[in-house]
Formats: sequence, C-alpha cells, structure tokens
Amino acid sequence: DAGVIQSPRHEVTEMGQEVTLRCKPISGHNSLFWYRQTMMRGLELLIYFNNNVPIDDSGMPEDRFSAKMPNASFSTLKIQPSEPRDSAVYFCASSLAGGPDEQFFGPGTRLTVL
Amino acid sequence: KNEVEQSPQNLTAQEGEFITINCSYSVGISALHWLQQHPGGGIVSLFMLSSGKKKHGRLIATINIQEKHSSLHITASHPRDSAVYICAVSGSARQLTFGSGTQLTVLP
Repeated sequence: DAGVIQSPRHEVTEMGQEVTLRCKPISGHNSLFWYRQTMMRGLELLIYFNNNVPIDDSGMPEDRFSAKMPNASFSTLKIQPSEPRDSAVYFCASSLAGGPDEQFFGPGTRLTVL
Repeated sequence: KNEVEQSPQNLTAQEGEFITINCSYSVGISALHWLQQHPGGGIVSLFMLSSGKKKHGRLIATINIQEKHSSLHITASHPRDSAVYICAVSGSARQLTFGSGTQLTVLP
C-alpha cells in the first residue's frame, strides 16, 4: 500500500487566496483525521471523519476553514481566505475504526501564507 | 495545564547511551501512542499501548495506568535515533491529543 497520500507537499500562497489541501487515506481505513502542526501550538486536531461523516470539528479554527470527505478515498481541507497565521504543516492521518487504533500519517503539506 | 506533559523537552546523548523519555497525562485514556518525527517532518507511529510494556528492536515503551505515566526507552542509542518523539493519548473519542514533543539528539 502506498500509505496516506497528501498533496501538495508544499504550498506558498498570498494572503487572501484560497488554499485546498488533499488527502487520500489508506485503502480500507474508514477514519480520517486532519491535524495542524505549528511551532507555537505543536500538533492539534482540526477535524476527524468516520465513514465519511464529520464526527468532531471543534478544532477547526474558524469559518475560514472547511473540510469535506465526499467518499472513502478522498478528503479536502480548504482555507478561504488564507491568512499568514495559517502557515503550518497540515497532516492527514487514517486508521481503521472500532476503538483506539494506530494512526498512519501522511507526509504533510507545508503551507506558507505570505 | 496541558493534558499531556512530556519531559525532557530536549535531550542530547552520546551514541550507545540508554535514553528515557517520560510522558504524563491527566485524563482518562483508551490508549497511549508514541510517535517519531524525523527532521524531514514525517510522523511514524512507534507504539500504541493501553497496559504493560511493548518492545520493538531497541525501543521499549511502558505504561502505568494507575499513575497515568508512560516511558519510552531507547537502548544502545544511535545517531539515526535523532528525532522528535511525541507522546499522544486517545480517549473515548478517537482523535489524538499530543504532548509537546522531546527533541532527541544522539551524538556520534
């Protein structure tokens, strides 16, 4: 298996632009997590899906952030409009549902908002 | 107070030394996870445990549920072990809550 796939790996954009991050979970996994990592706050959960349904989005910073999972093999995290404070590494992870499970992380997307 | 506390924040060791990283948590958990993040940024799950001890190669993870404490040990450390080690917990909700990480540097 190719593991969790994220794209793009790096994104540089200007303040105010829309940014879309993409994630393909491991085939057969039915839980998907979006995390954000910054120097100040470390790793923190943004949102997670179970069977394509958002379960907990309490970590989404504000209305500028939205996430979708239209099917079991694809998820997007969108920021519109982007701001410099959104600069971070965004990780997607997936796992099998049914209790506490090992999570498999993608390589991350490093986002820089100028 | 953070729900997950790690110590030390930074650790420098000589090759061959025995290393211990500690993690304390203040909430009820279903499992505790140890993750490794290399300088390139990728995150790898090392262990997931809910009781006792697990061993993989030179790495050993232990957990004491009563004391809400876990340790990650590295025996015969090597420069390639240099990385950030992150403790995380999962409760009834399945998402992870992370510690701030321990930056380990092993010198040759």
